[in-house]
Amino acid sequence: KNEVEQSPQNLTAQEGEFITINCSYSVGISALHWLQQHPGGGIVSLFMLSSGKKKHGRLIATINIQEKHSSLHITASHPRDSAVYICAVMFQGAQKLVFGQGTRLTINP
Amino acid sequence: SQTIHQWPATLVQPVGSPLSLECTVEGTSNPNLYWYRQAAGRGLQLLFYSVGIGQISSEVPQNLSASRPQDRQFILSSKKLLLSDSGFYLCASERNTEAFFGQGTRLTVV
Repeated sequence: KNEVEQSPQNLTAQEGEFITINCSYSVGISALHWLQQHPGGGIVSLFMLSSGKKKHGRLIATINIQEKHSSLHITASHPRDSAVYICAVMFQGAQKLVFGQGTRLTINP
Repeated sequence: SQTIHQWPATLVQPVGSPLSLECTVEGTSNPNLYWYRQAAGRGLQLLFYSVGIGQISSEVPQNLSASRPQDRQFILSSKKLLLSDSGFYLCASERNTEAFFGQGTRLTVV
């Protein structure tokens, strides 16, 4: 079964802390996406990965194909990073994106 | 790159009224198109996906329907809304593993 699991479901941290959000999936994939959803609901695409590591500003995304696992890291976290972070996967041979449940991140000043 | 236009951004509709949400895609051709729904406090659930004009696959039974009258147009409809149809609706486009997302529509059925 094609499944995507994220952890933790909720994460609260202090400003400046290093944040890690995890995503595990069940079978081989062709691509994995990290998305950010703010309280208003709009979704922003952060990264698309099929291997290795990508960095954009304070955000870093990594993927380990053998372990079927991806992580999203935020360095020097800031209250404006507070949002729901969602992992979405395109499984090999499938035609649909499967979303994780999301991780609600709250950064306190 | 692709751009997805989804409207309206917010919508308040009475129970029993019809619904039509539209999604159009620019910058690509023959994308796979998706409608997702997110109920309050829940994750995004796939409702429909389409791999081409007139081709619609439904993932969950409900009183919603979808249509794809043109290659880059995907429409979500209902003849009679239920209270349980309230939620956040998201259109997505995918081609060659690249995915793009609309801004979403927050629907409140009252």
